[in-house]
Amino acid sequence: QQPVQSPQAVILREGEDAVINCSSSKALYSVHWYRQKHGEAPVFLMILLKGGEQKGHEKISASFNEKKQQSSLYLTASQLSYSGTYFCGTEFITDSWGKLQFGAGTQVVVTP
Amino acid sequence: EAQVTQNPRYLITVTGKKLTVTCSQNMNHEYMSWYRQDPGLGLRQIYYSMNVEVTDKGDVPEGYKVSRKEKRNFPLILESPSPNQTSLYFCASSLRSTGLRYTFGSGTRLTVV
Repeated sequence: QQPVQSPQAVILREGEDAVINCSSSKALYSVHWYRQKHGEAPVFLMILLKGGEQKGHEKISASFNEKKQQSSLYLTASQLSYSGTYFCGTEFITDSWGKLQFGAGTQVVVTP
Repeated sequence: EAQVTQNPRYLITVTGKKLTVTCSQNMNHEYMSWYRQDPGLGLRQIYYSMNVEVTDKGDVPEGYKVSRKEKRNFPLILESPSPNQTSLYFCASSLRSTGLRYTFGSGTRLTVV
């Protein structure tokens, strides 16, 4: 039931773009995105609610396709500071409040 | 400073010796949660709590216990730790009104030998 993220890893040069995908087999209430830098705790980036609009954080934005139970995270004009592991988290419509399941993560490396 | 505090940061213990990892938040958050992080598996939810005295199982609750007697504290108890519980553990908390926006603690690296 964990959401499935792809790709597992991506290497970018500064200024390049990337897309990270997150998909679920169950009906979603919301999708969350977090970033974890090496040796640190995950940090909240954004939440997308069912019926909500696309969100953004710096030059990082995300979309939520409710019909396909999918979300995509867009890293635009990547910066060195974008390096880290990105996790999508999902809340299912059938689950109680507070239950948030994460995918296995996508490691992003941005090089100069 | 608003934060989630976990203790200890590092712990090495032996199989079967009961231990408690403490978690405390100073933000008056209703929701609290415990996750474990293992390579290739991401973050897996162990238990979560919606408020005082209200807890529920996550995806991997076996071998763990929790209690929420006070709003600020949410300890994780391993009654009889085993080597497969060697992991990095994170506590997190969130307000209800904002939707789930977890603030994570710094983590506890547990090794069971």
